[in-house]
Amino acid sequence: DAKTTQPNSMESNEEEPVHLPCNHSTISGTDYIHWYRQLPSQGPEYVIHGLTSNVNNRMASLAIAEDRKSSTLILHRATLRDAAVYYCILSPQAAGNKLTFGGGTRVLVKP
Amino acid sequence: GAVVSQHPSWVICKSGTSVKIECRSLDFQATTMFWYRQFPKQSLMLMATSNEGSKATYEQGVEKDKFLINHASLTLSTLTVTSAHPEDSSFYICSASEGPRTGELFFGEGSRLTVL
Repeated sequence: DAKTTQPNSMESNEEEPVHLPCNHSTISGTDYIHWYRQLPSQGPEYVIHGLTSNVNNRMASLAIAEDRKSSTLILHRATLRDAAVYYCILSPQAAGNKLTFGGGTRVLVKP
Repeated sequence: GAVVSQHPSWVICKSGTSVKIECRSLDFQATTMFWYRQFPKQSLMLMATSNEGSKATYEQGVEKDKFLINHASLTLSTLTVTSAHPEDSSFYICSASEGPRTGELFFGEGSRLTVL
């Protein structure tokens, strides 16, 4: 499976945008890019996913590079509740809904 | 959104005993559920894929006789940790999806197992 590389941690100030990068240089044409987040002592929560085009939903935006070798999750206005570990995951189409988690980025939001 | 519930949320047991963890999809039918374990400050590790009405598919290195998985209905999968030992202490998390590829997986709240 193609792997992803994320920074271990990032800090942000409350009410400011957060840009979380993810490198996936070995991505294949049928790999979907998924983002999940995990708050302390909870199960992961779906954030967003995409294939080629940028995606927006109520939680975040996903910007996918034209060559698909990297992507950025954008939290438009960070709140204290957004402090979590954010996972960028590639999911091959053949894998169905099977997700393999990497290290993720721990986001700290400062008031 | 869809809800996946786990029970118990935490359990403490003695070494050598077996512990069963339930994973239920509350408002949808899940043909496939996944079981993960997570050690402190680490990422989630996929243990197995639970298929309704058939045997689970285990990831490499996961002992199928140690971690028994049963998916008897479209809304319930169970993970039984047999003859638990302290090294089995972990956060166990399940996930479920409504179809073969819906793009969004729903995760349970997790079950924290402590083996004394």
